[in-house]
Amino acid sequence: DAKTTQPPSMDCAEGRAANLPCNHSTISGNEYVYWYRQIHSQGPQYIIHGLKNNETNEMASLIITEDRKSSTLILPHATLRDTAVYYCIVRVDSWGKLQFGAGTQVVVTP
Amino acid sequence: EAGVVQSPRYKIIEKKQPVAFWCNPISGHNTLYWYRQNLGQGPELLIRYENEEAVDDSQLPKDRFSAERLKGVDSTLKIQPAELGDSAVYLCASSPGTGGRGNTGELFFGEGSRLTVL
Repeated sequence: DAKTTQPPSMDCAEGRAANLPCNHSTISGNEYVYWYRQIHSQGPQYIIHGLKNNETNEMASLIITEDRKSSTLILPHATLRDTAVYYCIVRVDSWGKLQFGAGTQVVVTP
Repeated sequence: EAGVVQSPRYKIIEKKQPVAFWCNPISGHNTLYWYRQNLGQGPELLIRYENEEAVDDSQLPKDRFSAERLKGVDSTLKIQPAELGDSAVYLCASSPGTGGRGNTGELFFGEGSRLTVL
């Protein structure tokens, strides 16, 4: 599976949009982009995933560039409960191995 | 609906002692995973089961780690003997299985079992 690169940390003000970048320049045509988050002392939680098109659900939006070499997870209105480590993962199909990197520690401040 | 249940939540043992972790996946989920998460790092896959068959155990340290999933439902991960470097959080996850219409491939994680080896 392709490797991803994320910033180690970022801060966001409560109520503002949080834009989390992820680089995956070696992604293959059959690899999906998945995002999970992990709140302190909990297991990781699925957020969203996509292949080529932008995706949106009740938690977030996923913007994938046309060349698919990078993507951005958008939390539209960050709350204090969104403070967590966010993992960007590329994965072959829905049953491919899910390999986590170090992720981005997001801290939402009042 | 109950989520993935793991026990114990915390375990402290001395090195060279054995330890076991138990996981009960979401009902109907055929695929079960064990991950290990060291402090400050992302989870690392140890083993994946499809029903009762271990289909990927390439990352499992087989000299001291063992796992089983009898009857394809709940699972046990054992370490014997434990070493200082085994201190970590052991996470269990489950998913409905491979393929299938509408299968997003989402993994559902338990809260983990935190192991401290002294």
